[in-house]
Amino acid sequence: AQSVTQLGSHVSVSEGALVLLRCNYSSSVPPYLFWYVQYPNQGLQLLLKYTTGATLVKGINGFEAEFKKSETSFHLTKPSAHMSDAAEYFCAVTDNQAGTALIFGKGTTLSVSS
Amino acid sequence: GAGVSQSPSNKVTEKGKDVELRCDPISGHTALYWYRQSLGQGLEFLIYFQGNSAPDKSGLPSDRFSAERTGGSVSTLTIQRTQQEDSAVYLCASSSSKLHRFLNTGELFFGEGSRLTVL
Repeated sequence: AQSVTQLGSHVSVSEGALVLLRCNYSSSVPPYLFWYVQYPNQGLQLLLKYTTGATLVKGINGFEAEFKKSETSFHLTKPSAHMSDAAEYFCAVTDNQAGTALIFGKGTTLSVSS
Repeated sequence: GAGVSQSPSNKVTEKGKDVELRCDPISGHTALYWYRQSLGQGLEFLIYFQGNSAPDKSGLPSDRFSAERTGGSVSTLTIQRTQQEDSAVYLCASSSSKLHRFLNTGELFFGEGSRLTVL
């Protein structure tokens, strides 16, 4: 079975600072990886995804993530944080053995201060 | 509809009562998922539907939990004899992707969830 570990349940940055949210996965087969964001009182929405091809993927709102197979990581970054980025972020991996559901991490809450 | 719709948005019930949570997926989406979101636990997979059948129900925590989907559209998650530990936000998501082994690349579209509180 596949699993996802998000390091740090809470990350705080200043506006304009670099955002780095960490995600490591466990998989015995090539994974498909996703980052979802949940703004307060809203449903989850897809930020970006890696399936095949280029390992650096760009998503909405200036976020990007790099798939590093050797490190089994898929960290999410944004060069300059904005107040509106405050939300909860979830990393997810496909359960390729079953070919069905996405397996999510426990989430990281991002706080942005002015 | 334009998005995934869930009802009720909030449900408060007494321990031991049964509850039904409804999900109306995006029209035409063949895949439907239920997840549970608890504080500090992230998103816990419950069950997945492809059409009206449920090829993966491995995440249902106990036999008090059941779900069905009719007409390839609306789904109902039923929790019988609710317990306090059932308190959580129950999220529904749908996807247009045809899923098959090793190739799940579909984006999931989530509803806003049903918050269940068991007193």
